[in-house]
Parts: sequence; C-alpha cells; structure tokens
Amino acid sequence: AQKITQTQPGMFVQEKEAVTLDCTYDTSDPSYGLFWYKQPSSGEMIFLIYQGSYDQQNATEGRYSLNFQKARKSANLVISASQLGDSAMYFCAMRADDSWGKLQFGAGTQVVVTP
Amino acid sequence: GAVVSQHPSRVICKSGTSVKIECRSLDFQATTMFWYRQFPKKSLMLMATSNEGSKATYEQGVEKDKFLINHASLTLSTLTVTSAHPEDSSFYICSARELSSYNEQFFGPGTRLTVL
Repeated sequence: AQKITQTQPGMFVQEKEAVTLDCTYDTSDPSYGLFWYKQPSSGEMIFLIYQGSYDQQNATEGRYSLNFQKARKSANLVISASQLGDSAMYFCAMRADDSWGKLQFGAGTQVVVTP
Repeated sequence: GAVVSQHPSRVICKSGTSVKIECRSLDFQATTMFWYRQFPKKSLMLMATSNEGSKATYEQGVEKDKFLINHASLTLSTLTVTSAHPEDSSFYICSARELSSYNEQFFGPGTRLTVL
C-alpha cells in the first residue's frame, strides 16, 4: 500500500526567505510520480511541480524546486524568496502506478508568509 | 493550461434532497475524471475514479448508492449526492486527465455543499 506523509501542519516564514516543506512517501512500485499542489483559501488546487521516480535531476519550476532523495523516499518542496501570495495550504501527492493515474495526497502543510 | 469547470460553485440544500455537481473539461477530452472530497483543514480524499462510458470505480468506504457518478461524455462527469444529510456537507473537487497525459491532472475550482 502507498503512503504519503507531511509532518508539518503549519509553518511561518518571513517574506523573501526560503522555506522547505517536508514530504516522505512509501511505495513498493518502481515507477511513480510525485506532485506538489498549492491550495489558497479560495479552494482551487494549483499544480506547482512534478518529479518522476526515474528522473535523474531534481525538478524546478521558477521559485519552486523539489529536493528528491529517492533512497530516503523524500520529496521536499523548496520555495525560494517567499512572497505574501505564497500563503496557502501545500499538498504533496503521489500518483499510483495504475492505469488511471489517481493521486494520493498528504495531510498538507499550512504556510503563512509574514511581512 | 487545460481548464476544468465545476458547477455549481456553492450549493445549500435541505436534508433529504439530491444534489448534482457537474465537472467539465473545457478545452480537452478527459478520458478519466476523479472526484475528491475535502473536509475543512483536511486533505483531499479520493472518492471515485470515473472513466468515460464505463462505471465508476469507488474507493473503499465510499457508498456507491449515495454518491452516483456518471461520465457520459469525454468532457462531462457528474456527481449526484442522493438524499443528502448534514454529514455530507463538504468541499467536492473534481479533476480530469487527458488521454495523452498520464502525469497531469487538472483540477476544477470545487463545489462547496452545505446540507441543512
């Protein structure tokens, strides 16, 4: 069975600072995908970044980077130069290695960016 | 990116009534759609996977007769909450996957259901 864990329920970060959100996972599948989503208070799910299990390099998308450590089964999200608009709930998710590609989500981390 | 809409965005209904929520992919064909439920301050829980033209596959613990899912076309899936009760009040989110893209799911904006 797959499992995805986010141990930080909430974090405060100062504007312009970097923040790391932890995510660990457990799966017996050799092929899987890891995602990070942002959910502001409005509720919509915003895709941030994706890392495939066979990708050699860590994924980056603008201010977002994914610190993928396969042996440790961790996929931490790093947000650099935090902005007030980054305040939101952040979810780590893992794609099941099935034909449908369904996602399993972690519990989420609430990030609050302060001036 | 691809756009997924949900309608209605918010609905309030009386206990015992049925509520239908629509999920549409606006600019792509979605062979697979997913329905999630989210309680306040909680994570998204997958309810069911819906494939066009076939019966939905429900996750363990989700009542099929309570949450009816229909995926009649490549751009529309519906979730009907039958005989809704206050405990069904939640945020329902759909997502859609394009046939050619295994990695990407596009999420709708969600529907907030309140059952009085």
